[in-house]
Amino acid sequence: QSVLTQPPSVSGAPGQRVTISCAGSPSNIGAGYDVNWYQQLPETAPKLLIFGNTNRPSGVPDRFSASKSGTSASLAITGLQADDEADYYCQSYDISLSGSIFGGGTKLTVL
Amino acid sequence: QVQLRESGPGLVKPSQTLSLTCTVSGGSISSGTDYWSWIRQPAGKGLDWIGRVYTSGNTNYNPSLKSRVTISVDTSKNQFSLKLISVTASDTAIYYCAREPMVAPWRFDPWGRGTRVTVSS
Repeated sequence: QSVLTQPPSVSGAPGQRVTISCAGSPSNIGAGYDVNWYQQLPETAPKLLIFGNTNRPSGVPDRFSASKSGTSASLAITGLQADDEADYYCQSYDISLSGSIFGGGTKLTVL
Repeated sequence: QVQLRESGPGLVKPSQTLSLTCTVSGGSISSGTDYWSWIRQPAGKGLDWIGRVYTSGNTNYNPSLKSRVTISVDTSKNQFSLKLISVTASDTAIYYCAREPMVAPWRFDPWGRGTRVTVSS
């Protein structure tokens, strides 16, 4: 069981907007530690998608955005495209574990 | 642009030691600007942080694996390594190495392509 909780799956039609939640606790997200998001396309390594709660690395489309509030964070994807089909993971630091933690991952299906 | 590549045996027998190496190119491990991490992913499951090493050799480990893990750095070869002792089938996973900038701790970028390790007799 992951320390950060994500829905196992979300889906949406092309062009639609979807959100993926990431629920933490006072010992990680709620303690002010940054949340990062990763996209893992099928059979590939994870790639940094969002860093520092809301920032996109160069090359990541602005269709991807994220936010953080209290002990939770969320990733939003607008204008869904077929090649957005992937697993998405949130990640942060947990002071109780003294290490990095990941969410269990959310599989995005584009209908 | 920094690139990482994992290497090592794809098959390890139960109770033996898993040993992997990550070779860094396009940048120097000796620069002192980064941590170097190992992360694993069992088939069909999520990501688990294993631990990290700094240029000095200082390490941090996942408490759940700490008793079995050693991560070390070889600056002369621009490599860092993972050793996991007393492996069982539950250690079967894809193992990734990743860079973690000191200016942004606990952010993993980039990642290696990963190497699949199976624990089986």
